[in-house]
Amino acid sequence: QLLEQSPQFLSIQEGENLTVYCNSSSVFSSLQWYRQEPGEGPVLLIALYKAGELTSNGRLTAQFGITRKDSFLNISASIPSDVGIYFCAGQLKAAGNKLTFGGGTRVLVKP
Amino acid sequence: GAVVSQHPSWVICKSGTSVKIECRSLDFQATTMFWYRQFPKQSLMLMATSNEGSKATYEQGVEKDKFLINHASLTLSTLTVTSAHPEDSSFYICSARGLGDRLYEQYFGPGTRLTVT
Repeated sequence: QLLEQSPQFLSIQEGENLTVYCNSSSVFSSLQWYRQEPGEGPVLLIALYKAGELTSNGRLTAQFGITRKDSFLNISASIPSDVGIYFCAGQLKAAGNKLTFGGGTRVLVKP
Repeated sequence: GAVVSQHPSWVICKSGTSVKIECRSLDFQATTMFWYRQFPKQSLMLMATSNEGSKATYEQGVEKDKFLINHASLTLSTLTVTSAHPEDSSFYICSARGLGDRLYEQYFGPGTRLTVT
């Protein structure tokens, strides 16, 4: 897979922080993080465009690596509604900026 | 803003029949729309890319005669699964990309679950 996500599964206690990683050997023009709930389409959480960019959206923080090959998504003070599958997705200029998805990280938050 | 809708949300059809799925961008003009397929517990796989008024570009391994895509306007794209078979049962999701500053952002529809019996 072009984008490797880790871990594949994460089970944490409510209130804990969690971090999901995304790595590749390819250089991306942008990197986006999505959350998908069962039976629904992915929802855009954070979009990263510049090398080293650090962006927050409420309890979510994501950074685009300096080499534009990797990223992480951090969720602080998790709550039960954070449950879902988190995907990173990157756009390659050479591929017409089509989105390529990572394998996903299934997150379970125990109350 | 940036809402994408799909219709229907689910459909059951008999083997050999055709099914049409609509994808609409409700509050923005989508220069490009994408169709993905997602099997249970797997990631999204891009099937094809369509630009308004042009023929769709299909990913390797996707049969263009089986999955007909029409992007007739800046707010509507349709995917028709022709002569559907049980192995076509899947979750089909469209996404749309707009103009200008949001060129890199893609917004996804809620998906359509297709079951072929």
